[in-house]
Amino acid sequence: QVQLVESGGGVVQPGRSLRLSCEATGFSFRTHGMHWVRQVAGRGLEWVAVMSYGGTNKYYSDSVKGRFTISSDISKNIVYLQMNELRPDDTAVYFCAKVEYDSSGFQYFDSWGQGTLVTVSS
Amino acid sequence: VMTQSPATLSVSPGERATVSCRASRSVGSHLAWYQQKPGQAPRLLIYGASTRATGVPDRFSGDGSGTEFTLTISSLQSEDSGVFYCQQYNNWPPWTFGQGTQVEIK
Repeated sequence: QVQLVESGGGVVQPGRSLRLSCEATGFSFRTHGMHWVRQVAGRGLEWVAVMSYGGTNKYYSDSVKGRFTISSDISKNIVYLQMNELRPDDTAVYFCAKVEYDSSGFQYFDSWGQGTLVTVSS
Repeated sequence: VMTQSPATLSVSPGERATVSCRASRSVGSHLAWYQQKPGQAPRLLIYGASTRATGVPDRFSGDGSGTEFTLTISSLQSEDSGVFYCQQYNNWPPWTFGQGTQVEIK
């Protein structure tokens, strides 16, 4: 059974850093990629970053490129989101989501964690 | 860009609810639907535009291809309230979501 548990959220001052973790069980990062998606309170979903299976390819949204880094510890089945130079508009609930592949090999998000709240405020 | 309509939908129990999603350019059939309830993570309902995810009741159905898609709840149940999002996964990065449709039980 797939389970995703995020941690590491909290209150941080603008310009500071925070690292989120997402511990996964029930599958391996060797065969499934992982995404981070965020949601501002009362708003919609915004894709943040993806790491392909095995960790070889990584992509970022324009809003976080150069500030956030996605990585993983495959042996522990944990994916991380290192967030540097945080801004107030990074305040959101951050979800990790597991990749699944449709019949043509395109990836959608089939399982999500419960999310961890990041608040950037002085 | 993914555009959903309406923003809010109020439907009586047992009635049909239909949510529309339009893509600014073709996404083929690479379209997913998610349901989110307050304080919860999104839940996958539909992928491949029309394939129900495991455990999703058959009152939920998806249709469409290219740029026009619909999610239909054939007979709305009380537990079906929430916000519904479409998402394209054809043209990436980024993976983009619609702005959401709030479905309320009348």
